[in-house]
Amino acid sequence: KAGVTQTPRYLIKTRGQQVTLSCSPISGHRSVSWYQQTPGQGLQFLFEYFSETQRNKGNFPGRFSGRQFSNSRSEMNVSTLELGDSALYLCASSLSQGKGEQFFGPGTRLTVL
Amino acid sequence: GNSVTQMEGPVTLSEEAFLTINCTYTATGYPSLFWYVQYPGEGLQLLLKATKADDKGSNKGFEATYRKETTSFHLEKGSVQVSDSAVYFCALSDPGGGNKLTFGTGTQLKVEL
Repeated sequence: KAGVTQTPRYLIKTRGQQVTLSCSPISGHRSVSWYQQTPGQGLQFLFEYFSETQRNKGNFPGRFSGRQFSNSRSEMNVSTLELGDSALYLCASSLSQGKGEQFFGPGTRLTVL
Repeated sequence: GNSVTQMEGPVTLSEEAFLTINCTYTATGYPSLFWYVQYPGEGLQLLLKATKADDKGSNKGFEATYRKETTSFHLEKGSVQVSDSAVYFCALSDPGGGNKLTFGTGTQLKVEL
């Protein structure tokens, strides 16, 4: 069974631009969550989608948004990029909501210059 | 709110040494607890989990027991190998039933010959 895939793996942008990251969950998984990983703040929860609806949101500004499609694939968008948005963005999928385990993708490394 | 506290790293051990990485948590309700491992340049891999008090999670020689009375979930391994060198994250799930994970800061483990 294929794992969680994220595209692109690496991205370089400049301040003020916007970016879209994509995540394809494991086949059959309906929940997708996004996390930001930085050396200073560690792993922080961005948001969770289940059945195309945002179920939970972390403490990030409105520049960070996401969506989920009917095939469970998810995208996250960051507008008006700032230097501090440079991070590894990780996507995780889960079969359903609740206490089930989550499976992480390899991440997208975003560098903002 | 929910939080996870992990021992600071890096932890440097000789091969075949005993490993303990401490993890304590604060949460309302009854979360599930997890240990994830991250190898350089990769995403997170689930190492083990426990869903209720006194449960013991185990995998690849690693073990951790969910201790409600001490709010702890310490990771142990009897004999580490060089290939265990990685960053280890303790995490707890959203007691409210969602898939949001709250992570500790991570502990880097270096195993030397």
